[in-house]
Amino acid sequence: AQTVTQSQPEMSVQEAETVTLSCTYDTSESDYYLFWYKQPPSRQMILVIRQEAYKQQNATENRFSVNFQKAAKSFSLKISDSQLGDAAMYFCASGAGSYQLTFGKGTKLSVIP
Amino acid sequence: SAVISQKPSRDICQRGTSLTIQCQVDSQVTMMFWYRQQPGQSLTLIATANQGSEATYESGFVIDKFPISRPNLTFSTLTVSNMSPEDSSIYLCSVVGTGGTGELFFGEGSRLTVL
Repeated sequence: AQTVTQSQPEMSVQEAETVTLSCTYDTSESDYYLFWYKQPPSRQMILVIRQEAYKQQNATENRFSVNFQKAAKSFSLKISDSQLGDAAMYFCASGAGSYQLTFGKGTKLSVIP
Repeated sequence: SAVISQKPSRDICQRGTSLTIQCQVDSQVTMMFWYRQQPGQSLTLIATANQGSEATYESGFVIDKFPISRPNLTFSTLTVSNMSPEDSSIYLCSVVGTGGTGELFFGEGSRLTVL
């Protein structure tokens, strides 16, 4: 069984600043993936970034990067140079071979102009 | 990536009625998943739909309430039966990406409101 915990229900960031969203997880799988999804008001779930657990190097996608601490089972998302379009719900998720993802409860990010 | 279309986008339904949600994918996929997102909540997996076999339901979800069809590799339907206000949710269809990296692609979701 897998569990994903996001301890920050809401966060805010000033435009152009950096914000970090926290996520911890627990899994009995030895090989798994971790994801951050973004859900804007349009409802579409959009993949932001993914991390394979066997890779030590932290994933990066343009302004988005993760801090993956495998021993601590921590997977935080850093958004640099925040933009108004980054405002959304962000969900952390974990998955293994069955492709069934377990999602956290989400963090609502507001970007202040 | 995959392009996933869901219908209806949103609907308002009366208590006791049933509604079928359609999910169309622009490519052939083996596994399709149906998730429910209750208001202000995270996503919960309802079932996994594989072509040519019965859907596999997660704990707390049953076939009589959420019958699923998977007639081919690009299409699936989820029916929400005998609806009550507690069924008011966003229902999302998703498929596995082809890159072997475990990610899911989602449709835009179907927002159901049950009065």
